[in-house]
Amino acid sequence: KAGVTQTPRYLIKTRGQQVTLSCSPISGHRSVSWYQQTPGQGLQFLFEYFSETQRNKGNFPGRFSGRQFSNSRSEMNVSTLELGDSALYLCASSGTGGNEKLFFGSGTQLSVL
Amino acid sequence: SQQGEEDPQALSIQEGENATMNCSYKTSINNLQWYRQNSGRGLVHLILIRSNEREKHSGRLRVTLDTSKKSSSLLITASRAADTASYFCATDAEAGGTSYGKLTFGQGTILTVHP
Repeated sequence: KAGVTQTPRYLIKTRGQQVTLSCSPISGHRSVSWYQQTPGQGLQFLFEYFSETQRNKGNFPGRFSGRQFSNSRSEMNVSTLELGDSALYLCASSGTGGNEKLFFGSGTQLSVL
Repeated sequence: SQQGEEDPQALSIQEGENATMNCSYKTSINNLQWYRQNSGRGLVHLILIRSNEREKHSGRLRVTLDTSKKSSSLLITASRAADTASYFCATDAEAGGTSYGKLTFGQGTILTVHP
């Protein structure tokens, strides 16, 4: 079985731009979660989708949004980028739809200049 | 905000030695998990221990959980250079409920194993 795939691996943007990150979960997994990892704040939960519905959301501004498609693939979007959005963005999938044993992708390293 | 704290922040040992990492958390939990992350990569699930369990083993890993002290420890025995990574504890932080994909991670312990 292929693992969780995130694209692109690296991304460089400038302030004010927007960005879309993509995540393909493990085949058969319907739950996809997104996390932001920074040296200062560590790993922080963004949101979780299951069967195209957002079921849980972390404490991030509305500039951070996501969606999930019928094939369980997910995208997250960050609009009006700020320098502080520079981070490793990690996607995780789960077969149970809960929060046990998440399978993580390798992440997208976003740099905002 | 982080649910827990990990101790030590960094640990440097020689191959063959044991490594112990500790994690404390603040709220009641359903389970606690440990993950490993190699530099700049995704996290890999190592082991899950439920709130009604006290100890769990998986290969060279031993995890303990003390819910009265809200703490857990991860022991890696006979460490290898390939064990060099960051190790994170994670809790679901909503005992009795389902927090749908949300884990709250500690700040992590950076383990360096010297050959």
